[in-house]
Amino acid sequence: AQSVTQPDIHITVSEGASLELRCNYSYGATPYLFWYVQSPGQGLQLLLKYFSGDTLVQGIKGFEAEFKRSQSSFNLRKPSVHWSDAAEYFCAVALTGGGNKLTFGTGTQLKVEL
Amino acid sequence: EAGVAQSPRYKIIEKRQSVAFWCNPISGHATLYWYQQILGQGPKLLIQFQNNGVVDDSQLPKDRFSAERLKGVDSTLKIQPAKLEDSAVYLCASSPDAAQQYFGPGTRLTVT
Repeated sequence: AQSVTQPDIHITVSEGASLELRCNYSYGATPYLFWYVQSPGQGLQLLLKYFSGDTLVQGIKGFEAEFKRSQSSFNLRKPSVHWSDAAEYFCAVALTGGGNKLTFGTGTQLKVEL
Repeated sequence: EAGVAQSPRYKIIEKRQSVAFWCNPISGHATLYWYQQILGQGPKLLIQFQNNGVVDDSQLPKDRFSAERLKGVDSTLKIQPAKLEDSAVYLCASSPDAAQQYFGPGTRLTVT
């Protein structure tokens, strides 16, 4: 069965510092890959997605992610974090596109220090 | 464009009681999903509808959970009877195609 691992439960960074959130997946083929953000009391918002092609994908709010097939990873990055980025971030995979069953990681809680 | 609507936003019930959640997807979206998000975990798919037909309900605890999507638009998710371990946020999402799911704000259920 496919699985998603987010090894960091909590991460704290200073405002203006760079950020990298890790995501590894386990699946026989390359799945479709997603990063979602969830603010308190809110639903999940899609940051970016990878289906195929260029392995560096750009998303909203200045986020980007890089797909590395050899490492089965899809890490999320941001060059300079803003206080408003404090939230929980979820990596997810799907077999045949985002319109089908998503399997989520356990999430990484990001805290931003001013 | 209006987003996915869910109600109620919060619900507190005692164990063995029943509860129902309602979801109104984005207009025109054929696919609708219910996810359960337990505190500290990622969302887990409970059931997926395509129009008013069930595509995947393999992780729905059918002895106590039920869901329907009459007329292929709104959907309700019911729990009867509730257990303490059902305390979670229940997320509804909808999708127009295979590209992306749009999530509602969720219903936070507390079972005491």
